[in-house]
Amino acid sequence: EDKVVQSPLSLVVHEGDTVTLNCSYEVTNFRSLLWYKQEKKAPTFLFMLTSSGIEKKSGRLSSILDKKELFSILNITATQTGDSAIYLCGGGTSYGKLTFGQGTILTVHP
Amino acid sequence: DTEVTQTPKHLVMGMTNKKSLKCEQHMGHRAMYWYKQKAKKPPELMFVYSYEKLSINESVPSRFSPECPNSSLLNLHLHALQPEDSALYLCASSQAGENANTGELFFGEGSRLTVL
Repeated sequence: EDKVVQSPLSLVVHEGDTVTLNCSYEVTNFRSLLWYKQEKKAPTFLFMLTSSGIEKKSGRLSSILDKKELFSILNITATQTGDSAIYLCGGGTSYGKLTFGQGTILTVHP
Repeated sequence: DTEVTQTPKHLVMGMTNKKSLKCEQHMGHRAMYWYKQKAKKPPELMFVYSYEKLSINESVPSRFSPECPNSSLLNLHLHALQPEDSALYLCASSQAGENANTGELFFGEGSRLTVL
């Protein structure tokens, strides 16, 4: 059975801090690792990673995949209150199945 | 704004009712998905349609019946549900095919279902 584990499950920081969210996966027929941000409703896409060692960046967010260690991290620098959300990591297969981890609840205080 | 539209946004139904959730996308995606999300839990995959054919059913009870009438529409028919089926039901779409699955999933805002 496919498994995705995220850590920490929750994190409380102050504005300006840098955070690192972790995701490990065991996914048969692995194709891609996806990160999503979920606030009140639909998850919104952050990154899709398919190759090891290539960092993807979008503003203050960045992510990298290690396919040897079956691991990914999501970094957020200079956090803002608007970064408060649940961050979901998902392991995707070649036939369309995406298994999510439990999520990391990030709370950023002013 | 999401490009995946789900209706209704909220639904309350009794255990003997029959209702349907609807999902529509116009991004030309040929893979569509139903996920179920309980409070404080991650989304759990229910069904995947690829090129309008059911490709994955994650052992979902038969009281949930998916339907993909065309490449833009995805329905979830509900019958004889239980209170524990109350959840947020998320529809998503993506590119399909050997080299595209699993690509970026675009999620709708969900239909929040309450079963009394």
